[in-house]
Amino acid sequence: AQKITQTQPGMFVQEKEAVTLDCTYDTSDPSYGLFWYKQPSSGEMIFLIYQGSYDQQNATEGRYSLNFQKARKSANLVISASQLGDSAMYFCAMREGGATDSWGKLQFGAGTQVVVTP
Amino acid sequence: EPEVTQTPSHQVTQMGQEVILRCVPISNHLYFYWYRQILGQKVEFLVSFYNNEISEKSEIFDDQFSVERPDGSNFTLKIRSTKLEDSAMYFCASKSGNSPLHFGNGTRLTVT
Repeated sequence: AQKITQTQPGMFVQEKEAVTLDCTYDTSDPSYGLFWYKQPSSGEMIFLIYQGSYDQQNATEGRYSLNFQKARKSANLVISASQLGDSAMYFCAMREGGATDSWGKLQFGAGTQVVVTP
Repeated sequence: EPEVTQTPSHQVTQMGQEVILRCVPISNHLYFYWYRQILGQKVEFLVSFYNNEISEKSEIFDDQFSVERPDGSNFTLKIRSTKLEDSAMYFCASKSGNSPLHFGNGTRLTVT
């Protein structure tokens, strides 16, 4: 079964608009964490934002915010005021378990390709 | 800002050949990982390494694969006898404690 589901294979968004990228997850472990990574066409993986299962507040990092709805098992990424440089593939990922080593074993979704247009 | 460095950025090899992918993790990190991404597919966990031994490996990480930390700075992934299906982007990653993974820029391996 899919642990991380990203239902949007691709999205177009206009510059300066906000965009929401969907991510749902499946786990029975009470301790887990959700990550978003950005992969530009050059290929590197860039960490954007993290949300822990016990965190009370939604995570925010600059223009990135994570809309965490625990009961619905969703962790959507919101990018505000899109810029041309935001064009990239975006991956949602999850770690399960609270052990330190588990923080490095991530399960990734299929990704959403975002294209920002002028 | 310190970063994970991978070399080479692109490696072409013939089927059946051995290949070694090299990584220099961030210097104060203790946990090391290899992931791979076949073109157009998901990023997949291969192996984790801590305290000079493998702590976990996936089904993909069979006997053809091995990892080593030969000195205090390098972390290598060896594929003994490459197959066409090993063609992928290989990412090295490292972290310290309960922190997010820092990924390198990847090595694109092409097996012909």
